[in-house]
This record gives sequence, structure tokens and C-alpha cells, in this order.
Amino acid sequence: AQTVTQSQPEMSVQEAETVTLSCTYDTSESDYYLFWYKQPPSRQMILVIRQEAYKQQNATENRFSVNFQKAAKSFSLKISDSQLGDAAMYFCAYRSSTTSGTYKYIFGTGTRLKVLA
Amino acid sequence: DSGVTQTPKHLITATGQRVTLRCSPRSGDLSVYWYQQSLDQGLQFLIQYYNGEERAKGNILERFSAQQFPDLHSELNLSSLELGDSALYFCASSRAHQSSGNTIYFGEGSWLTVV
Repeated sequence: AQTVTQSQPEMSVQEAETVTLSCTYDTSESDYYLFWYKQPPSRQMILVIRQEAYKQQNATENRFSVNFQKAAKSFSLKISDSQLGDAAMYFCAYRSSTTSGTYKYIFGTGTRLKVLA
Repeated sequence: DSGVTQTPKHLITATGQRVTLRCSPRSGDLSVYWYQQSLDQGLQFLIQYYNGEERAKGNILERFSAQQFPDLHSELNLSSLELGDSALYFCASSRAHQSSGNTIYFGEGSWLTVV
């Protein structure tokens, strides 16, 4: 069974600095998708970035980028120029890809990011 | 705005009661997922429907049930409520076909407080 592990329950970063959140996963599949979701205090789940496993190029969305290491089954999120609004819980998620219409989205336990002014 | 609509946003009810949470997926999305998030916890997958059919079950209690209707909206029914059922219940939706997109989008959640 697929698992997603976020080993950092909490991280802190100074405003304007860079922080990296770690995520590892376990799977026997070769085709899948990975996501990072942000959950601010409002508790809404917001998609930050996604990565297709078949793409070797790391995904980037403005200040957010990932370091996808398929062989190591690692998917870390780098936040550059951290802003106060980045403070939130961040969840890593894995989606297995099938053609039957049945997908499994598995979430890690989350990393709480604090941004210090 | 993710396009996923959940009602009610907040609900307070007594132990032993029954409630129904409603979800309208994004236009065109055939899959609906329900998740439970207790305070300061991660997301627990409850159940998934695809085009009206149950496709996957997670840690869903027998007191809970769900269904997806022909218009693709879904309802999560919670009965014999206990204090421990107090949580944020998320509905999410996604396209089912690989070529149509592969991201799961969440509604704003329904806050359930059992007193």
C-alpha cells in the first residue's frame, strides 16, 4: 500500500528566507502524481503545486518549487522569499493513476510552517 | 474559489442526532471524495464515489454513509453522533479521466460540532 510520510511536524522560517519541507512516499507504481496542499488558519485546502511522476523536470509555481527525486521517492517543497501569508499547515499528497476511474489520494500528516517577522 | 460547494458551513448538534452534509462538485468532475479532519489532525479518507458508484472506502464508521446522486452531488450522512465526531468534513472532487486533469479540489469544508 502507498504511504506518505512528512517527518517534520513543525518548521520555522524567517520572513524573506527560504525553507524546504520534506516528504517521502512509498509506492510500487511507476506512474503517479504528487501534490502539495496548503491549509491556512481558515482550514481551507489550497493546491500549491503538483508534479507528474513521468516528468523529470521539477514543477515550479512562482516562489514555490519542488525537488522531485523519483528513485529516492522524495518530494520536497521549497518556499523562497517566505512571506507571513505562507504560514500554514502543508500537506503532501500522492495520487495513484489508473484508467478505471478509481484513484487514491493519500495525504501525509502535515508540516506546520511558522513564518517569523 | 475551488468550485466545490459544501453546505452547511457550520453545524452544531447534540449527541445521538443525525446530520447530512451536502457537496456539489466542480462542473464536469465525476469523482467525489469525503475526508474527515479532526482538530490539528491530518486528513482521514472516508469514501469516494465516481459517477454515482462507490469506488473506494477508507476509515468510514458504520454510523456514516454516503451517496452520489445522478446530478453528481453527494451527501454524507452521519448518525448516532458522538462527541468524537466533531470535525471538519471536506468534500473534494476531481476529473476521473487521465486526460481531463488529475488534481483533487477541495470545498471549504463543513464544521460539525457535537455537543
